Amino acid sequence: DVVMTQSPLSLPVTLGQPAAISCKSNQSLVYSDGNTYLNWFHQRPGQSPRRLIYKVSDRDSGVPDRFSGSGSGTDFTLEISRVEAEDVGVYYCMQGTHWPFTFGPGTKVDIK
Amino acid sequence: QITLKVSGPTLVKPTQTLTLTCAFSGFSLSTSGEGVGWIRQPPGKALEWLALIYWHDGKRYSPSLRNRLTITKDTSKNQVVLTMTNMDPVDTATYYCAHSLGWLHYDYWGQGTRVTVSS
Repeated sequence: DVVMTQSPLSLPVTLGQPAAISCKSNQSLVYSDGNTYLNWFHQRPGQSPRRLIYKVSDRDSGVPDRFSGSGSGTDFTLEISRVEAEDVGVYYCMQGTHWPFTFGPGTKVDIK
Repeated sequence: QITLKVSGPTLVKPTQTLTLTCAFSGFSLSTSGEGVGWIRQPPGKALEWLALIYWHDGKRYSPSLRNRLTITKDTSKNQVVLTMTNMDPVDTATYYCAHSLGWLHYDYWGQGTRVTVSS
């Protein structure tokens, strides 16, 4: 199985300040079609996850443009340009390139 | 607009079989590219991918649970069913179903159902 790691696992942030979460895989996530199926999800307490980013950097409909994804191969980053109160929760990366799909351990974001 | 809803028991006993149903609307599992997956989350822990079924009845399972899981679809009812045999307390989790389109996975999620395994 592809192992996904995230850092940090806990991220206290200041409102209005930027934040970044790293996600790494132990093998390349480039698929044979040339795409890289790396997703980012956000989960608020008591809620279902919500996909924010797919294929490394494509934002889902309705996702604020303060969220951006970048990276390639095995190293990926989710950035929030200016953290808002509604951004608290746990962020997961997930690879959808290799079976079985695997999630990272999650990064808990809260307000300082 | 795509919606998914999970239904099933909230409590099962050890060794029993769990059957969960994902009822969906807004897409059809007879349409090329469409799929439905199952993901679970033990209390306070991370998400774990379980299984996925595609429109052409192709199925994929988590290798660690492969011998306990079965995923099926009923296209006419717009439902996907997941069965998990020989339930154990470590299987206590919230179980989610989610929509896939081709290799773009989990853009829509159901609300999840909490299943507790206890005697």
